[in-house]
Amino acid sequence: SQTIHQWPATLVQPVGSPLSLECTVEGTSNPNLYWYRQAAGRGLQLLFYSVGIGQISSEVPQNLSASRPQDRQFILSSKKLLLSDSGFYLCAWKQGNNSPLHFGNGTRLTVT
Amino acid sequence: GQQLNQSPQSMFIQEGEDVSMNCTSSSIFNTWLWYKQDPGEGPVLLIALYKAGELTSNGRLTAQFGITRKDSFLNISASIPSDVGIYFCAGPNSGGYQKVTFGTGTKLQVIP
Repeated sequence: SQTIHQWPATLVQPVGSPLSLECTVEGTSNPNLYWYRQAAGRGLQLLFYSVGIGQISSEVPQNLSASRPQDRQFILSSKKLLLSDSGFYLCAWKQGNNSPLHFGNGTRLTVT
Repeated sequence: GQQLNQSPQSMFIQEGEDVSMNCTSSSIFNTWLWYKQDPGEGPVLLIALYKAGELTSNGRLTAQFGITRKDSFLNISASIPSDVGIYFCAGPNSGGYQKVTFGTGTKLQVIP
């Protein structure tokens, strides 16, 4: 069966520090991979998605970037965090165009 | 881009009551997905709908794919305390099935 791992679960970082969140999927190949952000009590905003290694689509201009160095690995990064980067970051995968998304457990990021 | 509007935004109900919520879009969707999110966790898929008019159940949950393909409904029968959470509708964008748009969410509180 397929599983998705996301870490760390929580992170507190100072403003101006770098960020690296990692997500890996097991039990499938060539998945579509996604990063979403959720502000407190609000909906999910799509940040990036990838349909293959090295292929990244950005949905919202911002202080973040994403990379997919391996088929089942998706990384969210920032060179310098802003206060506004605080939020709940969710990684997700799906197989094929019309299939549902499956989410990781999320990373709670607090920028201080 | 495509938007999904959910209503109600939040609701308080008594344990044992039935719950109805809906999701509407300004454009046609070919797939409707319903998720539940518990606090501090990633959303979990409840029901997936793939055909206009389709009615699908998952235990006490029933969801319908609207005939116009611009709306969907989720019903919960005989609510219990563990039904508490945020319910999201979602669907892949018709312009590119890789992207999945989420609704604004319905926050459900169950009073024991």
